Amino acid sequence: EVQLVESGGGLVKPGGSLRLTCTASGFTFSIYNMNWVRQAPGKGLEWVSSFSSSSRYMYYVDSVKGRFTISRDNAKNSLYLQMHSLRPEDTAVYYCARGSGDPGGLDSWGQGTLVSVSS
Amino acid sequence: HSVLTQPPSASATPGQRVTISCSGNSSNIGSNYVFWYQQLPGTAPKLFIYKNNQRPSGVPDRFSGSKSGTSTSLAISGLRSEDEADYYCAAWDDSLGGPVFGTGTKVTVL
Repeated sequence: EVQLVESGGGLVKPGGSLRLTCTASGFTFSIYNMNWVRQAPGKGLEWVSSFSSSSRYMYYVDSVKGRFTISRDNAKNSLYLQMHSLRPEDTAVYYCARGSGDPGGLDSWGQGTLVSVSS
Repeated sequence: HSVLTQPPSASATPGQRVTISCSGNSSNIGSNYVFWYQQLPGTAPKLFIYKNNQRPSGVPDRFSGSKSGTSTSLAISGLRSEDEADYYCAAWDDSLGGPVFGTGTKVTVL
């Protein structure tokens, strides 16, 4: 069974940093593109970042470029999101999601971890 | 970045059919596959339709997807109480370099 478990969320002050971790199991992690998607309270879904299976390509939504860094450790079956210079508008549940192989498709999701940015 | 447009809500009585529309443009729906996700209250999204009209195993055949040009729709026939959820369309966006999601539609079973 595919499992994705996020951790690392919490309350942080504006300008602060946080590192999210997604631990995968039940599939061959190294051959899948992996993504972070967020959902602000009461709002819709927003793709944040993705990391290709080849570990060559990383993509970001414009609003987090230069502040967030995605990385992965295939030996540990883990995906990370390092977040710096956090803003109140970054407050959201952050989901880890596996790419389905078709561009834009996300076929498995974690339960999410809440990041709250507030003074 | 562009967001796909959905109606905020849709409703019908049990057993009826409800259709959710989703509108995009040539850089997303018009040139890429469409996906639909169901999000039950307090839970993570779940892939419900992929590649425009395909259902993952376990998704009832009451759910069907279609696409035409830069628009897509999700139809739920024989509506049941357990179908109450938020539904999001999504597609790869060539200018974003990642998937773009719809604004979401809350389906209510009256």
